[in-house]
Amino acid sequence: RKEVEQDPGPFNVPEGATVAFNCTYSNSASQSFFWYRQDCRKEPKLLMSVYSSGNEDGRFTAQLNRASQYISLLIRDSKLSDSATYLCVVTLSGSARQLTFGSGTQLTVLP
Amino acid sequence: EAQVTQNPRYLITVTGKKLTVTCSQNMNHEYMSWYRQDPGLGLRQIYYSMNVEVTDKGDVPEGYKVSRKEKRNFPLILESPSPNQTSLYFCASSPITQGDYSRVGYGYTFGSGTRLTVV
Repeated sequence: RKEVEQDPGPFNVPEGATVAFNCTYSNSASQSFFWYRQDCRKEPKLLMSVYSSGNEDGRFTAQLNRASQYISLLIRDSKLSDSATYLCVVTLSGSARQLTFGSGTQLTVLP
Repeated sequence: EAQVTQNPRYLITVTGKKLTVTCSQNMNHEYMSWYRQDPGLGLRQIYYSMNVEVTDKGDVPEGYKVSRKEKRNFPLILESPSPNQTSLYFCASSPITQGDYSRVGYGYTFGSGTRLTVV
């Protein structure tokens, strides 16, 4: 079983739609959680952190469910520029190996 | 500008010919790491370094070497490249604040990537 699993998609949605991605992680000792965004053939960039209480950044909302070991990302009013691959990332408490990446969910927002 | 610089961006080489991909960061970060990215497999860690002269294996270290003689540089060495090392490679760096590794993700900066093809 992969440590971090995501639905690879692709998700094709019309502009203005709301879309949600889920990600599950296998290690209950995972401590920190992030969503990264990766544009085609470019480097990943931090989109947002995920806090236990849930957090929002403009049109993006991230949530964490420790009991079920999953995190989610909700994008409201999607824009063409949101088209990218979204990577779920977790870290283990005290782990020197740092970040573990999911394989990503591909989103295409259509005009 | 704070950045992680990788070179080259693209490289085509032949099996067995030693190569080095360079990585340099100007942010005085303690932590540096190499990843490879393959379709369907995501980013997998090759090696990482916690500081000068401190390196350790990640998930897929076979066929790779690294060194960390200076804080800013973390080259990836393929002594005898093979076609299964054809991939997109990323270098990344991060500060480690007070030994709190869990906060690494907040400050993780990637280089622009190196697309390597081994024929």
